[in-house]
Parts: sequence; structure tokens; C-alpha cells
Amino acid sequence: EVQLVESGGGLVQPGGSLRLSCSASGFTFSHYAMHLVRQAPGKGLEYVSTVSSDGIRTDYTDSVKGRFTISRDNSKNTMYVLMSSLRADDTAVYYCVKDLLAGSGAFDSWGQGTLVTVSS
Amino acid sequence: EIVMTQSPATLSVSPGERAALSCRASQSVSDNLAWYQQKPGQAPRLLIYGASFRATGFPARFSGSGSGTEFTLTISSLQSEDFAVYYCQQYNNWPRTFGQGTKVEIK
Repeated sequence: EVQLVESGGGLVQPGGSLRLSCSASGFTFSHYAMHLVRQAPGKGLEYVSTVSSDGIRTDYTDSVKGRFTISRDNSKNTMYVLMSSLRADDTAVYYCVKDLLAGSGAFDSWGQGTLVTVSS
Repeated sequence: EIVMTQSPATLSVSPGERAALSCRASQSVSDNLAWYQQKPGQAPRLLIYGASFRATGFPARFSGSGSGTEFTLTISSLQSEDFAVYYCQQYNNWPRTFGQGTKVEIK
């Protein structure tokens, strides 16, 4: 069974930094691209970032470019997201998501999410 | 980026009735279109991928159709457990983008 467990969320002041981790199990982690999706309170889903299976290629939505860095350690079955220069509009539940394919396709399995609150 | 537009924002349907949800892309995404179901307090679940392939665990009353820029999710006979928010998403171009969602509520 695929399991994705996010950690590292919490309350942070505007301008601050936070590192999210996503621990994966139940599948061959190194074979799949991984994604980050967020959902602001009461709002819809927003794509944030992707890291390829080998960690070489990354993608970001425009609003987080230059502030968020996604990476992975395939030896630890873990994805990381370093979030810096955080703003109030980054407040959201952040989901770690496994890709359906070995390449990049639909978003197959989702973690339970971790809440990031940016507030003074 | 590709803009995904869903309609209607809210759909009021009686149990047993058919529901049709629409998703439009601002440019062609071929058949690289997925649908997700999200219930309150839960993470989303992949429902449809490749525009028409049903994901594991969903019954045959759910079907997807379309290609290019116009897509439809049809629920043939709504059951109580189907009342939720449904999102479409394109994965043809970067960045991946979601529609704003359609809430299916009990009439």
C-alpha cells in the first residue's frame, strides 16, 4: 500500500522559512516523479512543484519560483521542499503526491497533508 | 500557463439522478486530463486519468470523455457517497494546472 507522510508544517512568520518532508513507502520511490500541491483554507487545489524521479528536473508554479526548492533523496525515500520568504498567501495545506507513471502523468496517490500557516 | 475552467461551480442533484460536469482548457491538452474527487476533510483522490480511464476503486457509474479542450465527467446515478467537490487537471504542459472545482451537492 502506498503511504505518503508529510511533516514539517506549522506556524511561521512572514519572511520566514520552513522545510517540508514527505516520507514514502509501499512503492519504488526512485521510479516516480513526485509533486507538491497546496490548498488554501476553503479554496481549490493549486499545483506548486514537481521533482523528477532522478531529482534532476524540477518545475514550479510562477508564484513560488525563486522562493521554494524541491528535492529528493531516493536513498531515504523522501522528498523535501524548502520554503523561504514565506508570505501570508502561502498559508495552505500542502500535499505530497506520487505520480501515476514512471514519467510524469496524473497525480496518483496523495498524502494526508500538512498545514503551513504564515502569520505574525 | 493553461487555464482550466470548470462549470458549473455548484451542481444540485437528487440521489439517483445523472450529473455531468464540464471542464474546458484554454488550449489543447490532448487527452492528458485527470479528474479528482475531494470530500470534506480528506485529501483528493484520483478518479479519472487519460481523460477516460477510471482509477482503481471507483465504480463504473463514473465516466470521463473528451479530448483537446473540452472534457466531461459523468456520474450516471448519483449515490450518497458521490457528493463531493470534483477538480479537473491538465498534465500536458508545465506548470500543471487545476480547474477551480465543481461542488456536487444534494438537491
